[in-house]
Amino acid sequence: GAVVSQHPSRVICKSGTSVKIECRSLDFQATTMFWYRQFPKQSLMLMATSNEGSKATYEQGVEKDKFLINHASLTLSTLTVTSAHPEDSSFYICSARGLAGGANTGELFFGEGSRLTVL
Amino acid sequence: GEDVEQSLFLSVREGDSSVINCTYTDSSSTYLYWYKQEPGAGLQLLTYIFSNMDMKQDQRLTVLLNKKDKHLSLRIADTQTGDSAIYFCADGRSSASKIIFGSGTRLSIRP
Repeated sequence: GAVVSQHPSRVICKSGTSVKIECRSLDFQATTMFWYRQFPKQSLMLMATSNEGSKATYEQGVEKDKFLINHASLTLSTLTVTSAHPEDSSFYICSARGLAGGANTGELFFGEGSRLTVL
Repeated sequence: GEDVEQSLFLSVREGDSSVINCTYTDSSSTYLYWYKQEPGAGLQLLTYIFSNMDMKQDQRLTVLLNKKDKHLSLRIADTQTGDSAIYFCADGRSSASKIIFGSGTRLSIRP
């Protein structure tokens, strides 16, 4: 089946630094990628929708200057948490909707997630 | 309030059936999904159902949809220890081309 890979799977950083998380679709082209955030024991909250070649659409309450999203190619989207603080510590998950198969059913393929810990 | 609601916990005995319930509010929903999340991992799509269907069965999984009441359920027959996970109901909204998740139901299996 389709594979979405995230990197890094875990990252620990100091407060004030920026962290970049990559999301790659390995065997299909993803016109749309989604970024979710999951706090411990809570559901996924959609942060933004990323369309290849255009600006991301952010959900209400998500700071676009804080969470920079770039979707420069059909196989890669990146999320950069700028000037990270402890409250940004969370599990970030990306998902991708492909051009074939996935686009017909609306099925999303999910990455493994990236756990960010800000000290 | 929440757009997609689920109970937080469910405990069943090994071998019994598990029924996880979900309610949603958006009448424009096109697809409704069930995802499974194991500890520390991403999400695995278990099954989905089109909004014009009432039921879908896939091996041990049965999905029932009551569109009038906006109620969705997932039944897992012969529940096994490997079924322990968090199960998320998700609402695919054609109007916004995005998917909204419920809070997740943690399924635990007792011997």
